Amino acid sequence: DVKVTQSSRYLVKRTGEKVFLECVQDMDHENMFWYRQDPGLGLRLIYFSYDVKMKEKGDIPEGYSVSREKKERFSLILESASTNQTSMYLCASSFPGREGYTFGSGTRLTVV
Amino acid sequence: GENVEQHPSTLSVQEGDSAVIKCTYSDSASNYFPWYKQELGKRPQLIIDIRSNVGEKKDQRIAVTLNKTAKHFSLHITETQPEDSAVYFCAAPPQAGTALIFGKGTTLSVSS
Repeated sequence: DVKVTQSSRYLVKRTGEKVFLECVQDMDHENMFWYRQDPGLGLRLIYFSYDVKMKEKGDIPEGYSVSREKKERFSLILESASTNQTSMYLCASSFPGREGYTFGSGTRLTVV
Repeated sequence: GENVEQHPSTLSVQEGDSAVIKCTYSDSASNYFPWYKQELGKRPQLIIDIRSNVGEKKDQRIAVTLNKTAKHFSLHITETQPEDSAVYFCAAPPQAGTALIFGKGTTLSVSS
């Protein structure tokens, strides 16, 4: 079974803090993705990556950045956390050409 | 960019009834249409998908139909059971092999 592991299940951070959300997959997937999930808004794409050191903006990249230094790890960075970034963050991975994703369990981030 | 609209947002059925969820997409280049199920507190999981070269695909009680001309696809669940209660998401990629854009989700409730 492919495993996509997100380092924290719950996080509480203060406004203005720099926040790192980590995602690791163990099946050598080239593609990795970050989404945020909010009630009534579904899953919205923040950033994605098709290769090491490569990144592409999704639909809502403002206030976020990403890092992919190793194939198995894709980090989401909130440069200066704000209360409107309180959300569930989902990481996913896939093989190229196989669009079916495997999701992590999610990180519920609360910014106070 | 791709826009995926999903209806209805909530659906309540009696056990044994059928349920249908519909999605429309905007980008005619989309060629892959997955459906994900997310149970309460869990990660989204792929339940069925269809590619643009077929019109219908079935897997036991679930089926997906695709109308490329009209740019819509639907999830059909027959003989619903309480364990089918979940949030269902449709998705489509703007182009082959690119990141999925998700609908806003449908909360299905099956009462016994």
